[in-house]
Amino acid sequence: DSGVTQTPKHLITATGQRVTLRCSPRSGDLSVYWYQQSLDQGLQFLIQYYNGEERAKGNILERFSAQQFPDLHSELNLSSLELGDSALYFCASSVGVEETQYFGPGTRLLVL
Amino acid sequence: GQSLEQPSEVTAVEGAIVQINCTYQTSGFYGLSWYQQHDGGAPTFLSYNALDGLEETGRFSSFLSRSDSYGYLLLQELQMKDSASYFCAVRDRVRSNSGYALNFGKGTSLLVTP
Repeated sequence: DSGVTQTPKHLITATGQRVTLRCSPRSGDLSVYWYQQSLDQGLQFLIQYYNGEERAKGNILERFSAQQFPDLHSELNLSSLELGDSALYFCASSVGVEETQYFGPGTRLLVL
Repeated sequence: GQSLEQPSEVTAVEGAIVQINCTYQTSGFYGLSWYQQHDGGAPTFLSYNALDGLEETGRFSSFLSRSDSYGYLLLQELQMKDSASYFCAVRDRVRSNSGYALNFGKGTSLLVTP
C-alpha cells in the first residue's frame, strides 16, 4: 500500500458524459501527478500539481482538466468522453519535485 | 522530443538473472528511473540513477551510462513474483513550470517460468 488513495476504483459511463476522478496523496506529499495508461499508449503523463499550483503539463486533452485543493487532494475532470478515453488513470504523489513517485491503485474508466 | 526504447517481452527461468535494457533520447537528461507494475496494479518505484554506474538494491540493480544514453535493470535470483512489467522513465522538462513530467517507456513484460 503506497498511501495514495484513488476513488472510484471502477467507473462505467457513456460517450459524451463527464466524470471526476479523485486522488488523495500520501501524508506530507505536496506534489500530485496524473497519468493515463491504455494498452496501445502505455503510461502517459497528463499533469502535475505542486502545493495547489500547476507545475507541468503533458499531452493532456483540452477536454480534461485537473486541480489540487488546499488540503492537497486532487481531482481530474474528464468531459465529453469518447470511447478512446477508456483507460486506467493513475494518480501519484511525491514529497516535492522528485524522481520517486508513489502511485495509487488507479481508476479504471470504461466509456461505452 | 524524447523517446525510450526497451524490449517488449523477456522470458527467464526461476533462479536465473535477467537484464532489461533501456535506451533513451532526450534533450535534457536528469536521470533514469525504473518502475515495476504487476498486472492491473499500480506502478512501484524500483530505482533511480542520476550518475554513471551501478546501483544495487537487494536482488535488483540498475546501471546507467550517460555517454551511451543507455541503462539497464538487472534482476537476480528470479522469483515467480517478479513476473511483471518493468518501465524505464526519464524526466521531461518540456512544457513545465519548474515541475517535471516523467516520460515512461512502453514497458517490458517479464515472464518468469518454473
